[in-house]
Amino acid sequence: GENVEQHPSTLSVQEGDSAVIKCTYSDSASNYFPWYKQELGKRPQLIIDIRSNVGEKKDQRIAVTLNKTAKHFSLHITETQPEDSAVYFCAAVMYSGGGADGLTFGKGTHLIIQP
Amino acid sequence: DSGVTQTPKHLITATGQRVTLRCSPRSGDLSVYWYQQSLDQGLQFLIHYYNGEERAKGNILERFSAQQFPDLHSELNLSSLELGDSALYFCASSPMGQGYTEAFFGQGTRLTVV
Repeated sequence: GENVEQHPSTLSVQEGDSAVIKCTYSDSASNYFPWYKQELGKRPQLIIDIRSNVGEKKDQRIAVTLNKTAKHFSLHITETQPEDSAVYFCAAVMYSGGGADGLTFGKGTHLIIQP
Repeated sequence: DSGVTQTPKHLITATGQRVTLRCSPRSGDLSVYWYQQSLDQGLQFLIHYYNGEERAKGNILERFSAQQFPDLHSELNLSSLELGDSALYFCASSPMGQGYTEAFFGQGTRLTVV
C-alpha cells in the first residue's frame, strides 16, 4: 500500500518568512495529493491540492509542487502570518473511476509562526 | 461548517464495551470515509462506503465495523474496546462520480476508553 513520509515534524519560522514542508510517497500510481490544515481540536480542512498531471499550483500565499519522478511534493507558504500556525498534513491517493481508497496521510508538521 | 455532522462529539466508555459513532454526510454526497486520528498513529484511513456499499478497507481492526444506510448516513461500530482505541474518529464525505474531489471532514468524535 501507499506510504507517505512528511518532514519536518515541527517547523518554527518568523512571521513574514516562508515555510516549506516536504512529503514523499511510495506508490507511483498515486495521482491526487491534497494538503490539509488542522487547528487544535478541529477538523482537517483542505487548503490546496494537486493532481499528477500538474507540476505546480498556487493559491495566493500557498503553493504546492509535485515531482512525479522523485515521488516528492512540497507545500510552500509565503509571507507567513500568525493564523498560519497549525498542523499541516500531506496526503496521497490513487484515484480510479471507483475512487475507493481513502487518503494516506503523512504524520503532520506542526508549523509555529513566531511574532 | 463543512456540512458533515458527527455525533456524539465526545464519548467516554469502559474497556470491553461497544459504541456506535454516527456520521451524516453533506447533502448529495454518496461517499463516506472513516478515519482514526491518534497521537502515535496519526490520521489513518479505516473504511469507505459508497451509496450503501463497502468500497475499500484500510487499517480497520476486526473489532470495528461500519455500514451506510439508505439515507446515506453511516455508523462506525467499535466493540471490545481497548485503551488503545482512544482516539479522534473523523468521517469525511465527497460526491465522487466525476473524478476525485475534496473530502469534507466532520468535527470528529473524541472517544476515550477508560
